[in-house]
Amino acid sequence: EAQVTQNPRYLITVTGKKLTVTCSQNMNHEYMSWYRQDPGLGLRQIYYSMNVEVTDKGDVPEGYKVSRKEKRNFPLILESPSPNQTSLYFCASSLGRGDGNTIYFGEGSWLTVV
Amino acid sequence: DAKTTQPTSMDCAEGRAANLPCNHSTISGNEYVYWYRQIHSQGPQYIIHGLKNNETNEMASLIITEDRKSSTLILPHATLRDTAVYYCIVSGTLQGGKLIFGQGTELSVKP
Repeated sequence: EAQVTQNPRYLITVTGKKLTVTCSQNMNHEYMSWYRQDPGLGLRQIYYSMNVEVTDKGDVPEGYKVSRKEKRNFPLILESPSPNQTSLYFCASSLGRGDGNTIYFGEGSWLTVV
Repeated sequence: DAKTTQPTSMDCAEGRAANLPCNHSTISGNEYVYWYRQIHSQGPQYIIHGLKNNETNEMASLIITEDRKSSTLILPHATLRDTAVYYCIVSGTLQGGKLIFGQGTELSVKP
């Protein structure tokens, strides 16, 4: 079954404690990205990756890092989380960038920073 | 900024067709129209997409006007499980492949 898997699904952490949200896809997709969803602001793109070792900033990259060492994995790293990063996070993947490719989303990761 | 305009909310009777409109008057020639839905706070679920022609799959039909400035998503026989927020999105390579989500239409299917 085609899947985008995120972990953890729920996390409460403290300010400044580094954390990583993992994302893995089993569809051999080249393109992966991270979004965050906040009330009244909709979904906004954080980072995206066109392929292994190729990443770029989205609309709201501040406070986040990503890496793409393998095609299937695209972890989101919060080096020093702050309360304004409390949000619902989604990982997404697609075969290519735009041009009619279907983008698949993970089930989401609820992150609370206290 | 979102490039689409959708009604904030709509109701539909169970078993009837749900017709969700979307305006995208500034769409460019290489941009596709995508429809996604989100049930509660689950991951957005892909429904359908198209460029110029009308499209149909097992979930829905997409009707795109000839000038491509608007489209309609049709759920032919809505069920209670179709209650969700529906997003109409335009996307192309010039935007880094990202989907720009607007506020969507909250569809309530009622018994």
